[in-house]
Amino acid sequence: EPEVTQTPSHQVTQMGQEVILRCVPISNHLYFYWYRQILGQKVEFLVSFYNNEISEKSEIFDDQFSVERPDGSNFTLKIRSTKLEDSAMYFCASTSGISYEQYFGPGTRLTVT
Amino acid sequence: KNEVEQSPQNLTAQEGEFITINCSYSVGISALHWLQQHPGGGIVSLFMLSSGKKKHGRLIATINIQEKHSSLHITASHPRDSAVYICAVDRSNDYKLSFGAGTTVTVRA
Repeated sequence: EPEVTQTPSHQVTQMGQEVILRCVPISNHLYFYWYRQILGQKVEFLVSFYNNEISEKSEIFDDQFSVERPDGSNFTLKIRSTKLEDSAMYFCASTSGISYEQYFGPGTRLTVT
Repeated sequence: KNEVEQSPQNLTAQEGEFITINCSYSVGISALHWLQQHPGGGIVSLFMLSSGKKKHGRLIATINIQEKHSSLHITASHPRDSAVYICAVDRSNDYKLSFGAGTTVTVRA
C-alpha cells in the first residue's frame, strides 16, 4: 500500500539554525500539508500546498517557514532560524483531492536546544 | 472557542468493554475524520465520513450532520486499542483539517 514517508525521524538542532524537514507524499496525490504537534497539545495546521503554490497558511506559518516541492516528489518544510518553541512533531500529509481521505507520514520529531 | 471539541479527555476501560468517544464541531464541514495516534506518535486514519455510519472490524463511527456531532465506538475493547483518538474536520476550503484535542484511551487487561 502506498504511504507517505518523512525524513529524518528525529532532528536535534541548536536555536538559530536552519532545518529542512523532508516528505515524500503518495505519488498521484495533488494536495500536500504540514501539521505540527507540540508535546501534550493538539495537532495544528501549518500550511497547505496545491498546484505548486501555497493555498493556505496558518498564523503560525510566519516568515521563518517556507515550503517547496523542488522535484515533483519531495515536499519540504524549511525553518530558517529555529526557536525553542519550534520543538514539536511535524507531520506531512497528502490527499488525492478525489477523496477527502488524508494520508499522514510518520512524523519528524524536531528538538531545538 | 475550539472548532472541534472531544469528550471525554481520558477514558479507562476494562478489556471487553464498549467504549464511546464523542466529537462536536461548530463549523460547516465536508467530512469528519477519526484518527488514531499511538505512543510512538504516528497518525493513522481510521474513518472519514460525511453522513451516516461506517464500520471497520470492532470500530464504528457515526455522524449526525444536523446536530454537528460524531461518535466513535469500540466494541469488545482490547489493550491494543490503547491510543489517542483524534477527531478532525475538513472545512473543504482545500481539505485542510482542524483537530480536536484527542481522547486518551487506556484499556486494561
